[in-house]
Amino acid sequence: DSGVTQTPKHLITATGQRVTLRCSPRSGDLSVYWYQQSLDQGLQFLIQYYNGEERAKGNILERFSAQQFPDLHSELNLSSLELGDSALYFCASSEQGVGETQYFGPGTRLLVL
Amino acid sequence: AQKVTQAQTEISVVEKEDVTLDCVYETRDTTYYLFWYKQPPSGELVFLIRRNSFDEQNEISGRYSWNFQKSTSSFNFTITASQVVDSAVYFCALSEADSWGKLQFGAGTQVVVTP
Repeated sequence: DSGVTQTPKHLITATGQRVTLRCSPRSGDLSVYWYQQSLDQGLQFLIQYYNGEERAKGNILERFSAQQFPDLHSELNLSSLELGDSALYFCASSEQGVGETQYFGPGTRLLVL
Repeated sequence: AQKVTQAQTEISVVEKEDVTLDCVYETRDTTYYLFWYKQPPSGELVFLIRRNSFDEQNEISGRYSWNFQKSTSSFNFTITASQVVDSAVYFCALSEADSWGKLQFGAGTQVVVTP
């Protein structure tokens, strides 16, 4: 158990819908990262937050947004969902940022029908 | 451009054989960090090892060992005396100092260990 929690574990929804994925980092970790794992793209970095502020952005679509709250949990919002958004979404956390080990949550498996 | 290359798509071994996974990375930074993660069939990503660019000392941790060579930009990982529970996808990842914490993953190598 990494100490990072993600909810829900599975999500099935329809195209055009909006979903919210939630992540709670390990106790004491200030940085939260979101990654997407799909068959065609592999593991891709989406976005990083540090202590409530956005720090780095990767290949995140404009339809996707995230935030980190004062209690350090984070939410990833996916809107206008398309079939291609079906993937495993991971959240990870680390104490600060650069170079540290990131501990991953169990992931949320999203299926868009 | 792909910064981390794992050329081996799948490796199949019989239990107790050694398995070496190759990883080649590309970066212009002088400070960077390399990682290996394991993804078993259950799906979670499990951290295995971390190395920074200033420490080329190769180490052994239990049945795991790694060979970091800056001259060839390689960070290979070996499982000694493999077990069925080692069956998983193994990912090599790079974190560059100027990219905050972003991990760039290779495509992964599927390891299948049969009894």
